[in-house]
Amino acid sequence: GIQVEQSPPDLILQEGANSTLRCNFSDSVNNLQWFHQNPWGQLINLFYIPSGTKQNGRLSATTVATERYSLLYISSSQTTDSGVYFCAVGPSGNTPLVFGKGTRLSVIA
Amino acid sequence: DSGVTQTPKHLITATGQRVTLRCSPRSGDLSVYWYQQSLDQGLQFLIQYYNGEERAKGNILERFSAQQFPDLHSELNLSSLELGDSALYFCASSVDWGDTTQYFGPGTRLTVL
Repeated sequence: GIQVEQSPPDLILQEGANSTLRCNFSDSVNNLQWFHQNPWGQLINLFYIPSGTKQNGRLSATTVATERYSLLYISSSQTTDSGVYFCAVGPSGNTPLVFGKGTRLSVIA
Repeated sequence: DSGVTQTPKHLITATGQRVTLRCSPRSGDLSVYWYQQSLDQGLQFLIQYYNGEERAKGNILERFSAQQFPDLHSELNLSSLELGDSALYFCASSVDWGDTTQYFGPGTRLTVL
């Protein structure tokens, strides 16, 4: 099955710093989602981005499907950005997602 | 708010017991997925239903079963519970074509003592 690798596993940032999180996947996909899991355990949808680039406020994401990777950019980080960021992929749109192990982000004031 | 609801939020039970977790998908979504998040296994897919029929099966134990009812809500039944079944159980729903974003519910945190 599809393998998903996320890097780095852990990241500590000063408030206001920028960061880039990476997701590599082993096969072609037609579904790729980025999630933020907050300290209460909620999985919050950030992006549905099987290809191309999207932006939402301080967050943006790019997926290069032909090279099998996706990047999540966080700019001007805030303490509320802390949590675990997951990348999840699926071979087609309505199939189960395979999750990476996540990147744990800690933003300190 | 994703539009997916799950009940209960928390469940504490003893080994050997049986529990039922409930999920209501977003209005109009025919696909329902169940995932388990445990400390050692991460987030894993359990089972998918589409319009009442089982569509895909993942790493779901034989002690676990699920169904999707005509009103599209779904239930996950966990029986003969073991300590290792303690986890966060998520339900997600999606449409079947186009933007098939999976929207996740708030999860049910199961603790087996």
